[in-house]
Amino acid sequence: SYELTQPPSVSVSPGQTARITCSGDALPKQYAYWYQQKPGQAPVLVIYKDSERPSGIPERFSGSSSGTTVTLTISGVQAEDEADYYCQSADSSGTFVVFGGGTKLTVL
Amino acid sequence: QVQLQESGPGLVKPSETLSLTCTVSGGSISSYYWSWIRQPPGKGLEWIGYIYYSGSTNYNPSLKSRVTISVDTSKNQFSLKLSSVTAADTAVYYCARDLGVVAATPGWFDPWGQGTLVTVSS
Repeated sequence: SYELTQPPSVSVSPGQTARITCSGDALPKQYAYWYQQKPGQAPVLVIYKDSERPSGIPERFSGSSSGTTVTLTISGVQAEDEADYYCQSADSSGTFVVFGGGTKLTVL
Repeated sequence: QVQLQESGPGLVKPSETLSLTCTVSGGSISSYYWSWIRQPPGKGLEWIGYIYYSGSTNYNPSLKSRVTISVDTSKNQFSLKLSSVTAADTAVYYCARDLGVVAATPGWFDPWGQGTLVTVSS
């Protein structure tokens, strides 16, 4: 079955830039989406269609795509950004939803 | 704005059927796709399936044989049934609106319900 691969963890100091990657063979054909999940809360959409930012999401969150890898970038990381981040896309046929395994962002 | 709320039993016995309902408020269930997603304790997200307001469905192949998602537009609700449950089905179950669906290709999920924990245990 199709998989999206994320690093289990990323650590950065406040004010630095965090980059979280997500790799999958179908990503050149399918859009990617990113969610932030804090403990005990439901996921919140932070990026859609690879690089679009929903209203209400801070400008420090951005997304990009290159080949089979998409990247969520958080510029000027703040303590409140500490959370789990999940990428999501569709399989190569565009039929089924797939989530990455999630990346725990730690703000040192 | 649109809000979603899951409801249903928090405890289900092994081999029985898990049943949950998602109530949509602040907007109509019509003209959108609606999904169920689950998250076992301490683990990642797993998509279960979606339903269009007209009733057409699409299920995760790994769960397809046990899943039924239905919609009741008169009540602005959609529901999940998962049969023959085991401890592996213990999870927080979320409902969410699926946006950006094109030619049945799933889009992104926004908003999500708060989630409800379902434990499978005798």
